[in-house]
Amino acid sequence: DVKVTQSSRYLVKRTGEKVFLECVQDMDHENMFWYRQDPGLGLRLIYFSYDVKMKEKGDIPEGYSVSREKKERFSLILESASTNQTSMYLCASSTRQGHQPQHFGDGTRLSIL
Amino acid sequence: AQSVTQPDIHITVSEGASLELRCNYSYGATPYLFWYVQSPGQGLQLLLKYFSGDTLVQGIKGFEAEFKRSQSSFNLRKPSVHWSDAAEYFCAVDRSNDYKLSFGAGTTVTVRA
Repeated sequence: DVKVTQSSRYLVKRTGEKVFLECVQDMDHENMFWYRQDPGLGLRLIYFSYDVKMKEKGDIPEGYSVSREKKERFSLILESASTNQTSMYLCASSTRQGHQPQHFGDGTRLSIL
Repeated sequence: AQSVTQPDIHITVSEGASLELRCNYSYGATPYLFWYVQSPGQGLQLLLKYFSGDTLVQGIKGFEAEFKRSQSSFNLRKPSVHWSDAAEYFCAVDRSNDYKLSFGAGTTVTVRA
């Protein structure tokens, strides 16, 4: 079965810290995504990667960066965390063959104090 | 730009009653449409998808959805809800055939005994 694993379910960090959120998928998918989920706003795309070392900005990339050094792993980086980045972060992956659905991890609830 | 509207923020339904969740999209061509469900503290799980062909699609957990091009709608239905259907439901459209999804804001379903 498809598996997307996010390294932490809950994370508490302080303002100004550099924060890493990790995501690993075991389906050999080409595409990987990072979303942010906030009440009333649904899911908003932060960054997208369609191949190793390739990345594309989503709708809300400000304050974030990403890294994809291996096909199975996609990292989201908050360079200098701020309180307005407190949110639920969801990672997803999909194949590039046809328009197959995205598969999601369980999410990381990040609190910035 | 493609967009997805879920007009109902919150729906309360009695166990055993029918459920219908509305979804409207704006998109020029035939879209690729998805419904996802998110149980508390979990990631998103795919319920069903529409790519082409039969406008009534069947999904998991007894859900179905009907694509109506004339109304730009893709409403989700279940004839008889169970307490375990209490969750948040998201409609999504594959925007511009580029593997990225646009999500609605979500509808929270509460099931009362």
